Amino acid sequence: EDQVTQSPEALRLQEGESSSLNCSYTVSGLRGLFWYRQDPGKGPEFLFTLYSAGEEKEKERLKATLTKKESFLHITAPKPEDSATYLCAVHSSYNTDKLIFGTGTRLQVFP
Amino acid sequence: EAGVAQSPRYKIIEKRQSVAFWCNPISGHATLYWYQQILGQGPKLLIQFQNNGVVDDSQLPKDRFSAERLKGVDSTLKIQPAKLEDSAVYLCASSFLTDGYTFGSGTRLTVV
Repeated sequence: EDQVTQSPEALRLQEGESSSLNCSYTVSGLRGLFWYRQDPGKGPEFLFTLYSAGEEKEKERLKATLTKKESFLHITAPKPEDSATYLCAVHSSYNTDKLIFGTGTRLQVFP
Repeated sequence: EAGVAQSPRYKIIEKRQSVAFWCNPISGHATLYWYQQILGQGPKLLIQFQNNGVVDDSQLPKDRFSAERLKGVDSTLKIQPAKLEDSAVYLCASSFLTDGYTFGSGTRLTVV
């Protein structure tokens, strides 16, 4: 069964304190791994798609990386506006277009 | 590009009542999804449409949930009768290809 596990569940950082969020996955053939940001009361907002081990993508203070078993979302020098829940999801060969989501990491950045 | 529109934003109903949610996807997006997000969890797919047709409804509780997509554009999701455990945010998403879904802001349902 396809499965996505995110850690930690919650993370509190001081402004400027860099860290990483982890997404471990078990899928029957990875077709894509997605990162989304979700603010309270809003729908998930697309950040990145990664397709193969070794791939990296960056956007402002965020950098996503992918290995054969997990993905990391690195946050460099975070600001309070980066506070949100970060969701990881996968497409698998078995589940066609369906996204399987993890439970998310709730990030709080304090000034 | 206009986003995915959903209404209502909030709904409070009593158990055993019925409720309907509406979604208008991004123009030209053939694929439409309804996800259920229970507090503290990630979204879970309820149903996927490709144009008018259902692609995947394996996790839709068909004894109480129904959905339709008229003319391959707008979609409605209905719950009848609602249970307490249906309290959640119902998210609609659309995509042109399989990458980068665009989600709406969701409808927060509270069943009391």
